[in-house]
Amino acid sequence: NAGVTQTPKFRVLKTGQSMTLLCAQDMNHEYMYWYRQDPGMGLRLIHYSVGEGTTAKGEVPDGYNVSRLKKQNFLLGLESAAPSQTSVYFCASSSRPDGAGVSNEQFFGPGTRLTVL
Amino acid sequence: QQQVKQSPQSLIVQKGGIPIINCAYENTAFDYFPWYQQFPGKGPALLIAIRPDVSEKKEGRFTISFNKSAKQFSLHIMDSQPGDSATYFCAVAGGTSYGKLTFGQGTILTVHP
Repeated sequence: NAGVTQTPKFRVLKTGQSMTLLCAQDMNHEYMYWYRQDPGMGLRLIHYSVGEGTTAKGEVPDGYNVSRLKKQNFLLGLESAAPSQTSVYFCASSSRPDGAGVSNEQFFGPGTRLTVL
Repeated sequence: QQQVKQSPQSLIVQKGGIPIINCAYENTAFDYFPWYQQFPGKGPALLIAIRPDVSEKKEGRFTISFNKSAKQFSLHIMDSQPGDSATYFCAVAGGTSYGKLTFGQGTILTVHP
């Protein structure tokens, strides 16, 4: 099992360019998440999905869009990149919480380091 | 509004020492308190987690202490090793949050040989 994979690993964009980050998981997880990590700020949730065809906003969704057309894939798009979006992006997945609603472990990918000039 | 406050930002200990990292949260609806470990260039990985019905959980050299009334929890690393040098994040989740994690700011731990 590859777990959670992310492509690309690194990318440099110019302001205004667009790109899509791809996340794939082979654990048959229902839930998927996109986070960004910035120094001194921990990881902040951008968008998440609780199943194929569903997406929802997280803590910092502005400037990003997502799609979950297939259960195993979760795409993060930047339509017009800005220097403030320079960050390391992590995708994660987890199984549905148990019957009592208690959260399960999130499995993270290796990250994508994005620089916007 | 910071829902989770983690301290210290960085920590240096000698091999064999017992580093302690603390987290404080605001919302009493949280019911899942994990700690994640992250090595440079890698994604975070779950280290240990606790539910609010217990006050302590131990897995190997790692222990979580949980104080529900104070809304605080901490990570203790016994007999720390240079290989424990990493960034540690606390997180919280709960209620109808669909497993969404809110992370602390992170603690960079360095264990000297």
